[in-house]
Amino acid sequence: DVKVTQSSRYLVKRTGEKVFLECVQDMDHENMFWYRQDPGLGLRLIYFSYDVKMKEKGDIPEGYSVSREKKERFSLILESASTNQTSMYLCASNTPDLINTEAFFGQGTRLTVV
Amino acid sequence: KQEVTQIPAALSVPEGENLVLNCSFTDSAIYNLQWFRQDPGKGLTSLLLIQSSQREQTSGRLNASLDKSSGRSTLYIAASQPGDSATYLCAVKNSGYALNFGKGTSLLVTP
Repeated sequence: DVKVTQSSRYLVKRTGEKVFLECVQDMDHENMFWYRQDPGLGLRLIYFSYDVKMKEKGDIPEGYSVSREKKERFSLILESASTNQTSMYLCASNTPDLINTEAFFGQGTRLTVV
Repeated sequence: KQEVTQIPAALSVPEGENLVLNCSFTDSAIYNLQWFRQDPGKGLTSLLLIQSSQREQTSGRLNASLDKSSGRSTLYIAASQPGDSATYLCAVKNSGYALNFGKGTSLLVTP
């Protein structure tokens, strides 16, 4: 069974804290993604990575950074958490094949910033 | 910029009905389209992937069709069951790395 695993299902953090969300995939995929999902706004891309140490900004990168030191692991970092970053965070991975690539998602991390 | 729309936003049907969920997209230059299911508070589960050259894909009671030229896809669910209740999302892949998602259709199948 292919797997994308996010380190936490639920997190509660205080405003101003530095927060790390971890994602690991076991499919040897080159591409990894971080999305956030909010009611009425759908899924929005924060950052993605197409190789180790390579990253690209998505649609809403402000307030976030990422790290990819190993192929299987992609971390999302909230430098100084704010209440407007309360959201569901979803990690995904796929291959670089343009046509026949299926994206796989983790179980999600529900982050609440108080 | 690719816009993906799913209609209706919510749907309630009695158990046993066949139903169709719709997805439309504005830029027909896609590589593939993927349908996902999301249960409340959970991640996304991939249901079907249709490549741009394909017209449809089937998996069990699910059948997805793609009409790239008109910018439309449908997900057909046969003989719906209460366990099918979830949010269904479609996503299209254009050039670049990421998927563009619709906002989903929330399906409730009542016993």
